[in-house]
Amino acid sequence: DAGVIQSPRHEVTEMGQEVTLRCKPISGHDYLFWYRQTMMRGLELLIYFNNNVPIDDSGMPEDRFSAKMPNASFSTLKIQPSEPRDSAVYFCASSAHDTQYFGPGTRLTVL
Amino acid sequence: GESVGLHLPTLSVQEGDNSIINCAYSNSASDYFIWYKQESGKGPQFIIDIRSNMDKRQGQRVTVLLNKTVKHLSLQIAATQPGDSAVYFCAENSQGAQKLVFGQGTRLTINP
Repeated sequence: DAGVIQSPRHEVTEMGQEVTLRCKPISGHDYLFWYRQTMMRGLELLIYFNNNVPIDDSGMPEDRFSAKMPNASFSTLKIQPSEPRDSAVYFCASSAHDTQYFGPGTRLTVL
Repeated sequence: GESVGLHLPTLSVQEGDNSIINCAYSNSASDYFIWYKQESGKGPQFIIDIRSNMDKRQGQRVTVLLNKTVKHLSLQIAATQPGDSAVYFCAENSQGAQKLVFGQGTRLTINP
């Protein structure tokens, strides 16, 4: 079975541009999580969904960040406008119960 | 000034030796614990989990030990191989909560 799929794997953009990261969870999983990983802060939970509904977005850094889950097989994390301090690896994870399975991540570089 | 990153604890072991990676947790209400392995350039990979009604669980070459009295979790890797080189994270959550709380990680390096 395919694991969590993320795209793109790498994204380089300029400050001020809009960035959209995409995630396809494991089929049948009803929880989806977005994380950010940096050297400074480690792994941070940004937001998570249950049955496509956002449950906790307290980790979203600011209004420039937004996430959607229009259906059970797709979610997006959008940053608009992007800033250099947003540079990080963004992971999507999904779960059916307690165990979260992570995707390969998107490495975002904002110049 | 230049930013300083996280200083991960590092464990260096000889190939073939056993490795023990430790993790302390703070929430006495946590009842589910997971170990993840993260190789360079990849996402965290599930290794093994344990619930609070157990104190030991074994997998293939790995064993997780849970001591609820002192809120301590450990991961033992038998006969360490070069492919075991990675950062290892422990994570915990509480019953009914879906949010995992991750530790800072330990970098395991294997000496040939």
